[in-house]
Amino acid sequence: QQPVQSPQAVILREGEDAVINCSSSKALYSVHWYRQKHGEAPVFLMILLKGGEQKGHEKISASFNEKKQQSSLYLTASQLSYSGTYFCGTEGGYQKVTFGTGTKLQVIP
Amino acid sequence: NAGVTQTPKFRILKIGQSMTLQCAQDMNHNYMYWYRQDPGMGLKLIYYSVGAGITDKGEVPNGYNVSRSTTEDFPLRLELAAPSQTSVYFCASNQGGSNTGELFFGEGSRLTVL
Repeated sequence: QQPVQSPQAVILREGEDAVINCSSSKALYSVHWYRQKHGEAPVFLMILLKGGEQKGHEKISASFNEKKQQSSLYLTASQLSYSGTYFCGTEGGYQKVTFGTGTKLQVIP
Repeated sequence: NAGVTQTPKFRILKIGQSMTLQCAQDMNHNYMYWYRQDPGMGLKLIYYSVGAGITDKGEVPNGYNVSRSTTEDFPLRLELAAPSQTSVYFCASNQGGSNTGELFFGEGSRLTVL
């Protein structure tokens, strides 16, 4: 089952904050977050592991609630470069990732 | 390192034609995947492989075939192309094993079936 993301789309002004939510109907053991710019491949942002460990490459934070089967991505002081579509992904066996429905984020000056 | 390389980047096919999308990675990754992404939608897993000689179906495998004869290469074959296969195809790789981590994506292959 595909994880469901909310909101579907959001427009921010530079410097504003946003939260993107990801919910799964299946038990979560880890959650991936990716950002995809128009016409490009998805780019890894971070992975959150059961037990609270977080691995990422950018200054974007996230939370992972195993009991509620939810994850949230927090974008603070947004920059123009944050624009794109954000996907969460739940991981199955052999590290197969099932991607969510996507959240389109647009940051305007 | 080139990472994950896909060819061709663009292709137009007629209904019923066949073709192979090529994918190669130079990171010595064990796990490789093929995803498709329809316009405005998320990515759906077509096939995956956990090593040379080992492949398995993903969520949407119908109309596709794969092979993995080497660690580096993971081609995707489309047989009897249909308009429903118009999509962007992404190949990805992951180190695998005990390392739970990021997927490295190729730039994508944009396929149109007319």
